Amino acid sequence: DIQMTQSPSTLSASVGDRVTITCRASQSISSWLAWYQQKPGKAPKLLIYDASSLESGVPSRFSGSGSGTEFTLTISSLQPDDFATYYCQQYNSYSLITFGQGTRLEIK
Amino acid sequence: EVQLVESGGGLVQPGGSLRLSCAASGFTVSSNYMSWVRQAPGKGLEWVSVIYSGGSTYYADSVKGRFTISRDNSKNTLYLQMNSLRAEDTAVYYCARDSHGSGSNDYWGQGTLVTVSS
Repeated sequence: DIQMTQSPSTLSASVGDRVTITCRASQSISSWLAWYQQKPGKAPKLLIYDASSLESGVPSRFSGSGSGTEFTLTISSLQPDDFATYYCQQYNSYSLITFGQGTRLEIK
Repeated sequence: EVQLVESGGGLVQPGGSLRLSCAASGFTVSSNYMSWVRQAPGKGLEWVSVIYSGGSTYYADSVKGRFTISRDNSKNTLYLQMNSLRAEDTAVYYCARDSHGSGSNDYWGQGTLVTVSS
């Protein structure tokens, strides 16, 4: 299986900060990577797909980059609604889809 | 408006069976890749299974041979038949749509809780 490792596990930041979350794959996954936001008790919400494509309706302060084994999710200016847990997901093969362990973004 | 509504969760004993349903509206299930993803209490997300628009199915190793994904086109509904349930299958189960056809899920249901315990 392809292992996905997110860092950091927890991130403390303030409104207005620029934050970056990293996701590393144990082998190359080309650009087959998505990012999700999840709030407590809610379903995940797709933010970015194919590593850098912004899902429709998602604010432009969210962006994704990377290919191969290293990827980043950047939030350019944190808003109060952005404090949540973020997951990366690789889908290099549909029989081997895996998620990262999650990054909890909390208010400093 | 796209909606996914799961049902069928509940408490079941180890070794038992349960069938989850995911009723879709606003789009056609059979024209999309549809997945089940689960989340154990306090844990991260785990992909469970997918059914392609063409009917091919895939499963995570942890559920292979025990779970079966299917759909009823006339009811526009996705199913997950779960047999030989174990305590480690306890989780909220989400159904999700992959309209991009590559693996990412753009719409999710609200989830249904499955608890496996004696």
